[in-house]
Amino acid sequence: AQSVSQHNHHVILSEAASLELGCNYSYGGTVNLFWYVQYPGQHLQLLLKYFSGDPLVKGIKGFEAEFIKSKFSFNLRKPSVQWSDTAEYFCAVNAATGNQFYFGTGTSLTVIP
Amino acid sequence: NAGVTQTPKFRVLKTGQSMTLLCAQDMNHEYMYWYRQDPGMGLRLIHYSVGEGTTAKGEVPDGYNVSRLKKQNFLLGLESAAPSQTSVYFCASSRELNTGELFFGEGSRLTVL
Repeated sequence: AQSVSQHNHHVILSEAASLELGCNYSYGGTVNLFWYVQYPGQHLQLLLKYFSGDPLVKGIKGFEAEFIKSKFSFNLRKPSVQWSDTAEYFCAVNAATGNQFYFGTGTSLTVIP
Repeated sequence: NAGVTQTPKFRVLKTGQSMTLLCAQDMNHEYMYWYRQDPGMGLRLIHYSVGEGTTAKGEVPDGYNVSRLKKQNFLLGLESAAPSQTSVYFCASSRELNTGELFFGEGSRLTVL
């Protein structure tokens, strides 16, 4: 079975700091990669996704992620975080020919004004 | 546009009691999923459905049953609740199986005493 690791469980940053959240997966084949975000009191929603092509993908609200195949990684980045980015972030993977999404354990981000 | 709606949002059960969680989506999606979210475990797939009248087991199906009698509804049943089933349950739907964005409900918090 596939697995997804998110190394940072809790991250606290000041506004305007840069963000990078790690995500690694274990699967040797072709994968589709996703980052979801859950703002306080809200449901999970898609931040960005990667299927193929340019390994640097841009999502909503200034987020981007880079797929590095050799490292089995799909790290999420944002150059300058805002207080409104406080949320829980989930990395997810599915095999291109599979039928299940596998989620990481999530990273809780707190941005201090 | 309601998207994905889950009921109830909160429920407390005693061990051995039964209950059903209802998920309804108004986006005409073929694919529907039930996940549970536990601290330190991320989201784990319980059951999913690839269309009306179909269901399939996910990663953690034991102790749960599901039904998809209508395309827009996906029911999750607990026949005899156990404390280990205390969790937050999320329903999701998607237009495509592997590459589609998951649309989530707001979650249902279940406590089994």
